[in-house]
Amino acid sequence: EAQVTQNPRYLITVTGKKLTVTCSQNMNHEYMSWYRQDPGLGLRQIYYSMNVEVTDKGDVPEGYKVSRKEKRNFPLILESPSPNQTSLYFCASSLGGLGEKLFFGSGTQLSVL
Amino acid sequence: GESVGLHLPTLSVQEGDNSIINCAYSNSASDYFIWYKQESGKGPQFIIDIRSNMDKRQGQRVTVLLNKTVKHLSLQIAATQPGDSAVYFCAERVTGRRALTFGSGTRLQVQP
Repeated sequence: EAQVTQNPRYLITVTGKKLTVTCSQNMNHEYMSWYRQDPGLGLRQIYYSMNVEVTDKGDVPEGYKVSRKEKRNFPLILESPSPNQTSLYFCASSLGGLGEKLFFGSGTQLSVL
Repeated sequence: GESVGLHLPTLSVQEGDNSIINCAYSNSASDYFIWYKQESGKGPQFIIDIRSNMDKRQGQRVTVLLNKTVKHLSLQIAATQPGDSAVYFCAERVTGRRALTFGSGTRLQVQP
């Protein structure tokens, strides 16, 4: 089954404790991206990747890092999480580009205390 | 800045009725639009898309209409079912940008 898989589904952590949210897609898509979803603000792009070893900042990249060492994986790293990063995070992939039809994962609900 | 918005935050309809969800966009340079459905606890799911060279596109029980003159996009769902209850949001792509801009969503509630 074609899908984007994120883990964990829920995560509660404390300020400053480094964490990684994993994302994997099995559709051989070149394009991958991370979004955060906050009430009233819609989905905002954090980082994106056009291909292996090619990443770039989205609209809200502060406090986040990503890596793309393999085509299928695109982890999101929070080196020192803060409470304002409490949010619902989605990973997405696309075949034709990041301005095309995106396939989303099920989301990771992060709470930073 | 440019934005994608929705007229109504919540829409309540009776089962079997047709639903119309609206979306206004402000960037005349947008050339591609998508509607997504997001059920509780799930990621957004693609419903239908339309390019700016089209006015209308139909899928299974859904129709998207694009009015470029007034920068308005709508999603019509025929014979709405309880399983259609979800948040729906539109997204636009500005020509040349490598990202979609998403609206904040409209919650559709289907009453039995």
